[in-house]
Amino acid sequence: EDKVVQSPLSLVVHEGDTVTLNCSYEVTNFRSLLWYKQEKKAPTFLFMLTSSGIEKKSGRLSSILDKKELFSILNITATQTGDSAVYLCAVDYSGAGSYQLTFGKGTKLSVIP
Amino acid sequence: DSGVTQTPKHLITATGQRVTLRCSPRSGDLSVYWYQQSLDQGLQFLIQYYNGEERAKGNILERFSAQQFPDLHSELNLSSLELGDSALYFCASSTHRDRGPVEAFFGQGTRLTVV
Repeated sequence: EDKVVQSPLSLVVHEGDTVTLNCSYEVTNFRSLLWYKQEKKAPTFLFMLTSSGIEKKSGRLSSILDKKELFSILNITATQTGDSAVYLCAVDYSGAGSYQLTFGKGTKLSVIP
Repeated sequence: DSGVTQTPKHLITATGQRVTLRCSPRSGDLSVYWYQQSLDQGLQFLIQYYNGEERAKGNILERFSAQQFPDLHSELNLSSLELGDSALYFCASSTHRDRGPVEAFFGQGTRLTVV
């Protein structure tokens, strides 16, 4: 059973559009939720969220966590072709004496000119 | 360039064989994480080392092992290889001891193909 579910799996938008990517999770002893951008190869860290309702922002990207409803969203405004990538969400939770980390399958975003 | 170096970039080997993947973390980073990414399983956390000690273990098979050396480079050993082990193996490094790859930098990965 998947602990971290991302939706949609794939998304195609035009440049300038705003997109919202979703990540829901179901774990015990939640510690944090992490977002990454994966272009050709290596993932790049975007955000870490630990508290509900506090928005993290970096340029046109922003993210927020809802610990009551167990989900996070990643917003990208005024999308550009360079935003085309797979966006990964991961949940960090306590377990087995230290922590566990589970990734979602990712959302593939394609931004067309 | 993330500053994390993984070698080799590509590896093709036969079933039943053993391989070693190498990772050099960014200067100053004491944590090294290993991940496996395959088409069907997505990105999976394998193991983390901090300053030579194992800190966290994920979905790492018993046929796989890792270590971190005094100079902080790390090696992931994969033995009795099966076709299903074909994947992209990433290493990441960070300064954090008891966290996942927060503010971590990933290497470009080693593409392992088992034939």
